[in-house]
Amino acid sequence: AQSVAQPEDQVNVAEGNPLTVKCTYSVSGNPYLFWYVQYPNRGLQFLLKYITGDNLVKGSYGFEAEFNKSQTSFHLKKPSALVSDSALYFCAVRDIWRGNTGKLIFGQGTTLQVKP
Amino acid sequence: DADVTQTPRNRITKTGKRIMLECSQTKGHDRMYWYRQDPGLGLRLIYYSFDVKDINKGEISDGYSVSRQAQAKFSLSLESAIPNQTALYFCATSGGGNSETQYFGPGTRLLVL
Repeated sequence: AQSVAQPEDQVNVAEGNPLTVKCTYSVSGNPYLFWYVQYPNRGLQFLLKYITGDNLVKGSYGFEAEFNKSQTSFHLKKPSALVSDSALYFCAVRDIWRGNTGKLIFGQGTTLQVKP
Repeated sequence: DADVTQTPRNRITKTGKRIMLECSQTKGHDRMYWYRQDPGLGLRLIYYSFDVKDINKGEISDGYSVSRQAQAKFSLSLESAIPNQTALYFCATSGGGNSETQYFGPGTRLLVL
């Protein structure tokens, strides 16, 4: 069965420090992986995705994510956090195993708090 | 994303009432989705549609129904609302193909009293 886990409900980091938001997944075949961000009272905004190719994916607002097949992880990273990065972050996976309908499965979300 | 709109943005209703949430998109996408978001549970898929004649149940479809009136319009109905349907509801769209990104509307906050 497909699943996504975001092991931390909240991540706290000081402005200017690097940040990591963790995500692990379980799928039957090769995964398509996505990160979304939700600012207060807003919808989800797409940040980046991994389909194939380079394991390091670069996305919007200076974010990047590293796909690690052996560890089944897709952690979101940013070298220098901004207060404006404070938001709720969702990891999602689509299992493209034969016969699967391609539905997107979301993690429970991680709140990122960046303090000045 | 302004390409995906949802109405209403906020709604308060009473138990037993019928309510419809509407979604429109100008992205020209074939696929549309309805999710609900509850604190600590992430987003869960209610229904999805891969084209106008295709409607599929998601993981939590009980108590909900949908209508795909056109390629650009996908409505979600609660036939008889109950308090545990209080949630934030999102519509999303995507192009065909599993690598396609889903784009989300701004959400509808629903409170069932």
